[in-house]
Amino acid sequence: QKEVEQNSGPLSVPEGAIASLNCTYSDRVSQSFFWYRQYSGKSPELIMSIYSNGDKEDGRFTAQLNKASQYVSLLIRDSQPSDSATYLCAVNPGTGNQFYFGTGTSLTVIP
Amino acid sequence: GAVVSQHPSWVICKSGTSVKIECRSLDFQATTMFWYRQFPKQSLMLMATSNEGSKATYEQGVEKDKFLINHASLTLSTLTVTSAHPEDSSFYICSASYGNYGYTFGSGTRLTVV
Repeated sequence: QKEVEQNSGPLSVPEGAIASLNCTYSDRVSQSFFWYRQYSGKSPELIMSIYSNGDKEDGRFTAQLNKASQYVSLLIRDSQPSDSATYLCAVNPGTGNQFYFGTGTSLTVIP
Repeated sequence: GAVVSQHPSWVICKSGTSVKIECRSLDFQATTMFWYRQFPKQSLMLMATSNEGSKATYEQGVEKDKFLINHASLTLSTLTVTSAHPEDSSFYICSASYGNYGYTFGSGTRLTVV
C-alpha cells in the first residue's frame, strides 16, 4: 500500500515566521514529489515539485527531499496571512501516472 | 498554459437522478485524466484513472457502474454520477498530466444531493 502521511495540524505561525511542513511516504521507489496548496472550497494548485535529494528553492518556498529517510518537507519563509491554507503532499511512485496524496496540513498564519 | 476546465462548478440534484461532470484540457492533449473525490476536511481520494479511447481503471471500493467515466477524446473526460444519493455529496476534482511538470487540476465540482 502506498501511503503518504502528513501531520494534519492545525499549524499556526505568526506572520513573518518560517512555517515547516513535513511528509513521509512508504513506497521506496517513489520518484516524484509535489507540494500543493489548497484553499477552502478550491482545487489544489501546485507550489513545488522535487525529484532529487536535497533542497530546491523557489521564492519564499523551499522543498527538501531525503529519499533514504523517505521524507519530504516544505519550508515557507516570511509567512504571510495569504499562505493560510491546507498543504498537500503528493507522491508519484513512478508506476503509472497516478498521484497519492497525504491528508494535508492546515496552516494558519496569524497577522 | 496547461489549463483544465471543469464544469459545472457546483450542482444540486435530487436523490436518484444522474449528474454529469465535464473536464476539458484547453491547451494540451490529456491522454490520461484522473478523477478525485474529496469529503470535507479530508484529502483527495483517487477514484479512477481515465485513458483516452479505453475503459477507465477504478480504485478499489469505487463502483464503476455508479461512477461512469468516458474519455472519448484527448481533450474531454466526463464523470457521470448515476442514481445519486446524499452520501455521494462531495467535491469532485479532475486532473491531467502535462509533461514533466506535474499535474494540473480542474476547478472542482461541488455536488450536493438532496
